[in-house]
Amino acid sequence: GQQVMQIPQYQHVQEGEDFTTYCNSSTTLSNIQWYKQRPGGHPVFLIQLVKSGEVKKQKRLTFQFGEAKKNSSLHITATQTTDVGTYFCAGLKTSYDKVIFGPGTSLSVIP
Amino acid sequence: GAVVSQHPSWVICKSGTSVKIECRSLDFQATTMFWYRQFPKQSLMLMATSNEGSKATYEQGVEKDKFLINHASLTLSTLTVTSAHPEDSSFYICSARDLQLESGRDEQYFGPGTRLTVT
Repeated sequence: GQQVMQIPQYQHVQEGEDFTTYCNSSTTLSNIQWYKQRPGGHPVFLIQLVKSGEVKKQKRLTFQFGEAKKNSSLHITATQTTDVGTYFCAGLKTSYDKVIFGPGTSLSVIP
Repeated sequence: GAVVSQHPSWVICKSGTSVKIECRSLDFQATTMFWYRQFPKQSLMLMATSNEGSKATYEQGVEKDKFLINHASLTLSTLTVTSAHPEDSSFYICSARDLQLESGRDEQYFGPGTRLTVT
């Protein structure tokens, strides 16, 4: 079945450093979504990428969808302590399909 | 963003009893809701897809007679854990899908989750 993988599993960075998490799917995706879950909280939708090669920015966050629509990345510039949490990517094989979550990347930011 | 509520936020029950969890979309109609389970420090595992007015679709390995899902209206889905056992203790999260074909909008909004502890 469809699998969504993420690396790294954990990342510890010094405040101010950059951070990147990578997401890979075993199949071509219709779109990919990114979520952030703070410790003790629930997943919060960040963004959806639909087009091949698409790049979207949200302040210090840059999201990219690969040309083959099988991988994606989330890059955070100059991390802050408020960025702490687990970042999940989630892929859909078709527009009407269920969402399959990756295992997540847990980010710790050292002040 | 859209709001999804879940009730209760936490529940402790005795082994063998049943527990019902409600998921509501508060400001949009959701023809599709999803139920996930999340163990500590793990990802969300999809349990079932709930479609309004029809039977839920369960993922492989999820017992449909144990996890009863009812999507009675466009804003409410319920998950009932029947004859709960300690291994059912987990964090259950629902999400409601806001799918608008005309605009291409397709977003999921998650409820705050329900922590179930079975003693």
